[in-house]
Amino acid sequence: KNEVEQSPQNLTAQEGEFITINCSYSVGISALHWLQQHPGGGIVSLFMLSSGKKKHGRLIATINIQEKHSSLHITASHPRDSAVYICAVPRDGNKLVFGAGTILRVKS
Amino acid sequence: GAGVSQTPSNKVTEKGKYVELRCDPISGHTALYWYRQSLGQGPEFLIYFQGTGAADDSGLPNDRFFAVRPEGSVSTLKIQRTERGDSAVYLCASSPPEQYFGPGTRLTVT
Repeated sequence: KNEVEQSPQNLTAQEGEFITINCSYSVGISALHWLQQHPGGGIVSLFMLSSGKKKHGRLIATINIQEKHSSLHITASHPRDSAVYICAVPRDGNKLVFGAGTILRVKS
Repeated sequence: GAGVSQTPSNKVTEKGKYVELRCDPISGHTALYWYRQSLGQGPEFLIYFQGTGAADDSGLPNDRFFAVRPEGSVSTLKIQRTERGDSAVYLCASSPPEQYFGPGTRLTVT
């Protein structure tokens, strides 16, 4: 079992739909990262959170430390949201262990 | 520059050749990380520098890979005797505390 599991692996949505991407991890952590990667592009950090909820525009990230689970939500999805969304947790200091990513495609 | 930069953006090399990949971190960031991302997978940790020293190199796959950061700023990842399995996107990030990623170098070994 991977240390960081994401679901779904692939997700196709219609423009305007509410989207949820899930991340589960198997060890205790100090914080969890949500990252976005566009095709051919680098990785952009969306959120780093250690408890509760954070919101930035149409993106919301939540984390439940006891259940070792985090979700990334996108409200009113748009085709420009199409990307790979990756969750990552720090291990042995600050090096990140990444999930395999969720490939999101939003159709207009 | 404002962000992490990596050069080259793309590198095609023949099996057995030596390559160097460069990372310029955000000015003032003391920590620097190298990750490797194979197609369809999440990135995997290679090595982490705190200042000039490699604080953790446990992710380097074998002794063909090594990295330096002689002045605590720019870092170079060096791969000797490249193999086709080394083909991947090599990502660099700097921090603290949140990690800021560069655009990556896509390495293709033919």
